[in-house]
Amino acid sequence: EIVMTQSPATLSVSPGERATLSCRASQSVSSNLAWYQQKPGQAPRLLIYGASTRATGIPARFSGSGSGTEFTLTISSLQSEDFAVYYCQQYNNWPPERTFGQGTKVEIK
Amino acid sequence: QVQLVQSGAEVKKPGASVKVSCKASGYTFTSYYMHWVRQAPGQGLEWMGIINPSGGSTSYAQKFQGRVTMTRDTSTSTVYMELSSLRSEDTAVYYCARELTGTLPEGYWGQGTLVTVSS
Repeated sequence: EIVMTQSPATLSVSPGERATLSCRASQSVSSNLAWYQQKPGQAPRLLIYGASTRATGIPARFSGSGSGTEFTLTISSLQSEDFAVYYCQQYNNWPPERTFGQGTKVEIK
Repeated sequence: QVQLVQSGAEVKKPGASVKVSCKASGYTFTSYYMHWVRQAPGQGLEWMGIINPSGGSTSYAQKFQGRVTMTRDTSTSTVYMELSSLRSEDTAVYYCARELTGTLPEGYWGQGTLVTVSS
């Protein structure tokens, strides 16, 4: 099983500042990496897939990079609505397994 | 628009089974795979498995092999996830989630179903 490790567990950021979240895979996942945002009481929302492609309707302040085993999600200028938990996920085509990281909570500093 | 509507909250006793439904609308049901993901209270996301609504084939996470069964009813565009031999650690919100398109991750999610296992 591919293990996904996110860091840090919690990130304290002031509104308007930049946030950088990291995700590492235990083995190469190529570019089969997605990022999700989850707010309390809500289902996850897909932000990024293919490591760097924004999903429909996702603001340009969200960007993803990386390939292989090291990935980064950057939020260029945090807005109040961006304070949430972020998960990375690797997705294989076959077998179609998925693995999530443990999440990074972005909180208001 | 794509909609996934799940069944309501359940309370079960240890050892029992639970069956959660997910009714799809707004697209061709048999054209997209459906996943099930769960989230224990205050914890992260855990992938359980996938079903192909077209032929009914499934693939389950090793952790749930032997305890989970995913099925579908094409006449009602509904997928089901049944989990047996419930224990307290199975208390969680269970989500169905549809792939965005073939080979891409889950872009559409149900609202979640809380399953509570308690004696």
